[in-house]
Amino acid sequence: GAGVSQSPRYKVAKRGQDVALRCDPISGHVSLFWYQQALGQGPEFLTYFQNEAQLDKSGLPSDRFFAERPEGSVSTLKIQRTQQEDSAVYLCASSLPTSGRGDTQYFGPGTRLTVL
Amino acid sequence: DQQVKQNSPSLSVQEGRISILNCDYTNSMFDYFLWYKKYPAEGPTFLISISSIKDKNEDGRFTVFLNKSAKHLSLHIVPSQPGDSAVYFCAASDSGGSNYKLTFGKGTLLTVNP
Repeated sequence: GAGVSQSPRYKVAKRGQDVALRCDPISGHVSLFWYQQALGQGPEFLTYFQNEAQLDKSGLPSDRFFAERPEGSVSTLKIQRTQQEDSAVYLCASSLPTSGRGDTQYFGPGTRLTVL
Repeated sequence: DQQVKQNSPSLSVQEGRISILNCDYTNSMFDYFLWYKKYPAEGPTFLISISSIKDKNEDGRFTVFLNKSAKHLSLHIVPSQPGDSAVYFCAASDSGGSNYKLTFGKGTLLTVNP
């Protein structure tokens, strides 16, 4: 079956522009996560959805970042008025989840955002 | 404050030998640990995981060891192959926090030389 897909794979934006990044999770996966990965760092949590409900947005760095998953499948991460410090790879991951102790999250290829 | 630490930015190993990648964590609430492998321009790929109720999990050439008292885990790859060359990330989650978000280390670049 298909894995997690993300589009676009690369995005160049001028400072101040708005961008929208799309994630298609694995079919049937209830949980969806967004992470931000800066150069030379590990991925850092941004936000989490269970179906259409955004249960945790504690990692969003500012109110310029907004995520949605209106029908519980595809998700969009929107960044308004982009700044140079927003330049990073944005990773989407999905998981079933199983009940109990932990889930394996499956990642998409990421969108590399460069803000000039 | 980094809760998951991979103190070796890089590791070089000869083909056929053992690769040992290390990871330390500080949050005692973490109870599920994963290793991901990442090639350039791709997303992280899940390799192996371990729950805190175990101290070892094995899958083919990959074995993860967990030492809870030391808050330390390691990934062993035996035998190492050139195709294993990639960045390896250690990640942890607190399932009691009920959102399963992962906290990652900074990664270790493994190079396996033919």
